[in-house]
Amino acid sequence: SYELTQPPSVSVSPGQTARITCSGDALPKKYAYWYQQKSGQAPVLVIYEDNKRPSGIPERFSGSSSGTMATLTISGAQVEDEADYYCYSTDSSGNHRVFGGGTKLTVL
Amino acid sequence: EVQLVESGGGLVKPGGSLRLSCAASGFTFSRYSMNWVRQAPGKGLEWVSSISSGSSYIYYADSLKGRFTISRDNAKNSLYLQMNSLRAEDTAVYYCARAVDTAMVSYDYWGQGTLVTVSS
Repeated sequence: SYELTQPPSVSVSPGQTARITCSGDALPKKYAYWYQQKSGQAPVLVIYEDNKRPSGIPERFSGSSSGTMATLTISGAQVEDEADYYCYSTDSSGNHRVFGGGTKLTVL
Repeated sequence: EVQLVESGGGLVKPGGSLRLSCAASGFTFSRYSMNWVRQAPGKGLEWVSSISSGSSYIYYADSLKGRFTISRDNAKNSLYLQMNSLRAEDTAVYYCARAVDTAMVSYDYWGQGTLVTVSS
């Protein structure tokens, strides 16, 4: 079955740039989506279609994709950005949706 | 205001069944694809199932092996998940989410989830 691979954790100091990667064989052909989930809350979409930002999401959140890897970048990470981040996409057939394993971002 | 409210969770014995509901309000339900996503305690998100606006397209995670059935009633603004032959590994918070894209991966609104516990 299709898999998306993320690092389990990323740690940065406030104001630094955090980068979270997501690798998957179908990413050259399929968009990546990124969800932020804070403790005890439902997920929130922060990036869609590789690099688009929904309204209300701060400009410090950006996304990119190249080849089999998508990247979520948080420029000038803030303490309130501490959360679990999940990439999400479909397999090459489009029939199955898959979340990455999630990356715990620590900002301290 | 868009709202998604899940219900129907609870404690069920292994092998039992449960039907989850998601009541939608604040938008034209019949125009949107809907989805179920679950999260086991302390674990990551797992896609469960998706259904298109008119129920023409339905998809399931392979791991469910035919035990779950997604459905919707557009007249009642409701989404459902019938879960049969439940196992301990189905224990999770189940979220419903609205999709805003045809691929059904861009979810702009989520419910707060309903907890399903499968235990003897």
